[in-house]
Amino acid sequence: DTAVSQTPKYLVTQMGNDKSIKCEQNLGHDTMYWYKQDSKKFLKIMFSYNNKELIINETVPNRFSPKSPDKAHLNLHINSLELGDSAVYFCASSPDRTYEQYFGPGTRLTVT
Amino acid sequence: GIQVEQSPPDLILQEGANSTLRCNFSDSVNNLQWFHQNPWGQLINLFYIPSGTKQNGRLSATTVATERYSLLYISSSQTTDSGVYFCAVESNDYKLSFGAGTTVTVRA
Repeated sequence: DTAVSQTPKYLVTQMGNDKSIKCEQNLGHDTMYWYKQDSKKFLKIMFSYNNKELIINETVPNRFSPKSPDKAHLNLHINSLELGDSAVYFCASSPDRTYEQYFGPGTRLTVT
Repeated sequence: GIQVEQSPPDLILQEGANSTLRCNFSDSVNNLQWFHQNPWGQLINLFYIPSGTKQNGRLSATTVATERYSLLYISSSQTTDSGVYFCAVESNDYKLSFGAGTTVTVRA
């Protein structure tokens, strides 16, 4: 009965490839997020959707594109992967903006 | 953007000890949360506490919004408390900004 789930858990790929990470929440929340955690464990928000509308779009390379087909899903597509994209990517959800956030298990992306 | 400072950066405890973690922030906030990242990487929401005091078992948290700080108390620490504790705050832009974390190691 996972509240926020992500697939895959691990992703190893080569530079230049395109990959997607999927996120689903079964909490009935309206807002979903993508975060990046670097090798020093620093967490930074990348994107947020509220009711399928993009509300936060931080300064990230445009190779990163989020897509929200419905309120329960938020996917992250990354084009032309680079070594510096290696990190753990977390999906999160909250009932609405400015409420407590619940995180998925993370996807460890390794670009070789 | 809002600045978040956590102290201490590292903490080593003997099992059974008590400790206090601090989070200072640079502006007024609408949202403050404490998270625990366990050694397996899972981020667990501990408290949603933009102001006041809350308790959950051996953990409690206090936020004094007017003085721009929050404290997380761990009492009778256990080895399962090991991990990184993050404070995260949000002002008026709906963006949750994280501190650098406090790494806690509890020794048996």
